[in-house]
Amino acid sequence: DTGVSQDPRHKITKRGQNVTFRCDPISEHNRLYWYRQTLGQGPEFLTYFQNEAQLEKSRLLSDRFSAERPKGSFSTLEIQRTEQGDSAMYLCASIRVAYNEQFFGPGTRLTVL
Amino acid sequence: AQSVTQLDSQVPVFEEAPVELRCNYSSSVSVYLFWYVQYPNQGLQLLLKYLSGSTLVKGINGFEAEFNKSQTSFHLRKPSVHISDTAEYFCAVRNNNAGNMLTFGGGTRLMVKP
Repeated sequence: DTGVSQDPRHKITKRGQNVTFRCDPISEHNRLYWYRQTLGQGPEFLTYFQNEAQLEKSRLLSDRFSAERPKGSFSTLEIQRTEQGDSAMYLCASIRVAYNEQFFGPGTRLTVL
Repeated sequence: AQSVTQLDSQVPVFEEAPVELRCNYSSSVSVYLFWYVQYPNQGLQLLLKYLSGSTLVKGINGFEAEFNKSQTSFHLRKPSVHISDTAEYFCAVRNNNAGNMLTFGGGTRLMVKP
């Protein structure tokens, strides 16, 4: 247990539905990242926050994706109108700026039917 | 742009044998390098990291890695593996821009057989 928690751990949804995932980072970590990992691949960067500000978004993050980090604590990642191609493991990681290790949560596995 | 290549998608090995998992990276600037391990249905756990200094880095669970700047490699080694080492291993490079996000290789599945 790294101290980063994610909820839910598994989500099965039908195509076209909206889903929302939550990440709770380690409390003193001011930077939070979202990554997506498809089957048999390494994680790919989606977006990151420093405190409550979203500072960068990957081209992988289409308009159907939105992320927030209100008050600089937990973060949510919402996918609207899910597609089968969104099926993946969504990983959250946090770090204290100027330190070098990102701590990863257990991930949320999304299956879109 | 930085990239990471893990040359072997799967590495089968017998218990107590040595193993090397290969990682090559491309970057035009100095890099920070990492190896993470992922057990089934879990997140990533840091094994070891290279930031600067000694090119031989020791990590948890008896793993070590050697940074080779001229060959742009960061191979992971263990002299004697256990069944419990069966997992997916990811090499990553930290982007030295403002975001410091990680770029991962495709992973190597280590399969330790009795």
